[in-house]
Amino acid sequence: DVKVTQSSRYLVKRTGEKVFLECVQDMDHENMFWYRQDPGLGLRLIYFSYDVKMKEKGDIPEGYSVSREKKERFSLILESASTNQTSMYLCASTTGGSGNTIYFGEGSWLTVV
Amino acid sequence: RKEVEQDPGPFNVPEGATVAFNCTYSNSASQSFFWYRQDCRKEPKLLMSVYSSGNEDGRFTAQLNRASQYISLLIRDSKLSDSATYLCVVITKAAGNKLTFGGGTRVLVKP
Repeated sequence: DVKVTQSSRYLVKRTGEKVFLECVQDMDHENMFWYRQDPGLGLRLIYFSYDVKMKEKGDIPEGYSVSREKKERFSLILESASTNQTSMYLCASTTGGSGNTIYFGEGSWLTVV
Repeated sequence: RKEVEQDPGPFNVPEGATVAFNCTYSNSASQSFFWYRQDCRKEPKLLMSVYSSGNEDGRFTAQLNRASQYISLLIRDSKLSDSATYLCVVITKAAGNKLTFGGGTRVLVKP
């Protein structure tokens, strides 16, 4: 059974804290993605990676960074959390070819107070 | 203009009725398309891929119109359990296989 695992499901952090959201997939997928989802705004792409140590900015990269040191792991980092980063964060992965199913993690609900 | 756009709805649908909605995309280089279903506070789950020739899966029919750059989803004989948000997803290989989501269309099926 294929799996994308987001290790932290629910987090509460203070403003200014550094936050790590981890995503691990066991399908040997090349492409991995981080999105945030907010009411009325849908899913917005933060960063994606199509290979180890490669990263590309999505539509809303400001305030975030990512790390892909190993193929199976894609981490999202909030260097200094702010209240406007309170959101649900979704990780996704897919193979390099087109037409392949996208697999999602279960989501990480982050509240910054 | 957003890369992928959907009517947010909600579409209020009587049980047993048919509902259809579209998703438009702006990048003509986009080559793969999907419909995902998302329930409240859950991750999206694949409903169906969208093929150039159109495809059907039970009560669900998906179509692709490349000339006008939109995909569509039609749900026949709506069930209460079809109530969800339907997301279209577009993959653009020229952009490094970037996945772009529409904002979702909310469907509410009522008895």
